[in-house]
Amino acid sequence: DQQVKQNSPSLSVQEGRISILNCDYTNSMFDYFLWYKKYPAEGPTFLISISSIKDKNEDGRFTVFLNKSAKHLSLHIVPSQPGDSAVYFCAATRTGSARQLTFGSGTQLTVLP
Amino acid sequence: NAGVTQTPKFQVLKTGQSMTLQCAQDMNHEYMSWYRQDPGMGLRLIHYSVGAGITDQGEVPNGYNVSRSTTEDFPLRLLSAAPSQTSVYFCASSTGGGMGDGYTFGSGTRLTVV
Repeated sequence: DQQVKQNSPSLSVQEGRISILNCDYTNSMFDYFLWYKKYPAEGPTFLISISSIKDKNEDGRFTVFLNKSAKHLSLHIVPSQPGDSAVYFCAATRTGSARQLTFGSGTQLTVLP
Repeated sequence: NAGVTQTPKFQVLKTGQSMTLQCAQDMNHEYMSWYRQDPGMGLRLIHYSVGAGITDQGEVPNGYNVSRSTTEDFPLRLLSAAPSQTSVYFCASSTGGGMGDGYTFGSGTRLTVV
């Protein structure tokens, strides 16, 4: 039973346009959500996080939106750059879980020049 | 500052062999974890530790042991390798600060069991 789902295995966008990566979760106990980026043959790199008490968090070109009622979050990248091409993982955790992360299956983003 | 260092980067084992995957961090992080990544399944938690001397099981602990005798090191032991343990293994560490602070991951160990 996947508690964190990324239903789009891949996404292609043109350079300069917006990339929107989606993530759904089922466990209402999750109260922190994180996005990681992964290049081939490297470990995941932390990008941005959001607490369940917020509905938006922004860091430069990256913005994460959280819709608690829909149990849905999204990562927006504006503008997209070719260097953003990577696999993006959504992850969730809850207070008191010793920081255990539950990951989605990832979305391969390709930014076309 | 090396971050999280994993060795080896690649390993081929025969079924039934045992081995230890090494993980070391130099950031004085309290939390350390081991994940495995399989195609189409994201990363799954194997074992984790909240400090030296304290370990616990994650989602997929069977066939693996861990220990945490120091803050810096968190080795993962495969007791008797099986083909189902063919995977990419990632070690990660984190501070005990805010819950939104991300884990720092190592570059991974690609393990093939034949």
